[in-house]
Amino acid sequence: ILNVEQSPQSLHVQEGDSTNFTCSFPSSNFYALHWYRWETAKSPEALFVMTLNGDEKKKGRISATLNTKEGYSYLYIKGSQPEDSATYLCAFVSGNTGKLIFGQGTTLQVKP
Amino acid sequence: DTEVTQTPKHLVMGMTNKKSLKCEQHMGHRAMYWYKQKAKKPPELMFVYSYEKLSINESVPSRFSPECPNSSLLNLHLHALQPEDSALYLCASSQQGTGPYEQYFGPGTRLTVT
Repeated sequence: ILNVEQSPQSLHVQEGDSTNFTCSFPSSNFYALHWYRWETAKSPEALFVMTLNGDEKKKGRISATLNTKEGYSYLYIKGSQPEDSATYLCAFVSGNTGKLIFGQGTTLQVKP
Repeated sequence: DTEVTQTPKHLVMGMTNKKSLKCEQHMGHRAMYWYKQKAKKPPELMFVYSYEKLSINESVPSRFSPECPNSSLLNLHLHALQPEDSALYLCASSQQGTGPYEQYFGPGTRLTVT
């Protein structure tokens, strides 16, 4: 069974704080690592798809890094805003199967 | 149009009922997916269709029957469900079933089996 773990499970920060979460995944047979943001009552939204060791991707105040050799990815949010409040899910793809295995998610609450 | 639509939003059905969930996308994507999400758990893959053919079935019980009538539509036919099948059912699509392509998700159908 392939295990994808995210930490922390939940996080409460003040507006303006920077924060980061971790996604751990198996380091063997790696194909891709996805990050999604899921706001309450909305559809999960893709943030990044990362494939190469050492990859760094950025979208606005959100960025992600990837280490496939040790099996982890970090998601960073700079200057958190209340609208960043959501559950952030990572998903591991083993081999070129198209099959996403999701972690449990990190729920972020940003207080104004 | 980068939207995946799902109908209905909510569904309550008895264990002897037959119902269907519908998913639609008009992005020209050739892969479509069904996921099941129970409360406080991550989405779990059920089925993948690639070029309108079933490519992955994650050992889902036969009371769930997927159908892909064309490249834009994906159905999930439900029959003789159990209360433990109550969950959020998410549909997604991607450019292709293999390759590093992001998936676009619908808002889900909240299913309650009584």
